[in-house]
Amino acid sequence: NAGVTQTPKFRVLKTGQSMTLLCAQDMNHEYMYWYRQDPGMGLRLIHYSVGEGTTAKGEVPDGYNVSRLKKQNFLLGLESAAPSQTSVYFCASSLTGYSNQPQHFGDGTRLSIL
Amino acid sequence: GENVEQHPSTLSVQEGDSAVIKCTYSDSASNYFPWYKQELGKRPQLIIDIRSNVGEKKDQRIAVTLNKTAKHFSLHITETQPEDSAVYFCAAGRMDSSYKLIFGSGTRLLVRP
Repeated sequence: NAGVTQTPKFRVLKTGQSMTLLCAQDMNHEYMYWYRQDPGMGLRLIHYSVGEGTTAKGEVPDGYNVSRLKKQNFLLGLESAAPSQTSVYFCASSLTGYSNQPQHFGDGTRLSIL
Repeated sequence: GENVEQHPSTLSVQEGDSAVIKCTYSDSASNYFPWYKQELGKRPQLIIDIRSNVGEKKDQRIAVTLNKTAKHFSLHITETQPEDSAVYFCAAGRMDSSYKLIFGSGTRLLVRP
């Protein structure tokens, strides 16, 4: 099993450009999450999904959209990138919310907005 | 809103000494408290977790304690080694239909040889 795979690993965008970050998991997990990590602020939840076709807002959802069309994939979109969205983005997944199983993280995507 | 406070932000210890990191959470309904270790440029990895029905859990050199009344939980690392150097994050959340975690801001641990 590859676990949680994020693509791309690095990306540089100009302000106003759009892009999509892809998260894929092969563990048959129901729940998936997108976090951003900024220096000195830990991990903050952007959006999450508790199953195929469902999404919900986390702590810092503004400026982002997500989709979960397939159980194994969770996409994070930036429609009009802003310098404040420069960050490291981590995707995570877990079996369910009741399974006593931890959240497993991907390797992250380092995104710079110029 | 819900938050988790973590202290200290940096911690430097001599190899072989113990290290303690403390967290306080605000949501009294939280029932799950994981600790993650993140090495430079790597993904966060779970090192230990505790649920609200126990007060302490140990795994070799690491242990976690939980005081639900005070809403405090702590990570204890004994006999520290240079490879323990990393950033450690605590988190609090609910094992329920959403399973959202709120993370602390992290502690950078440096173990001096």
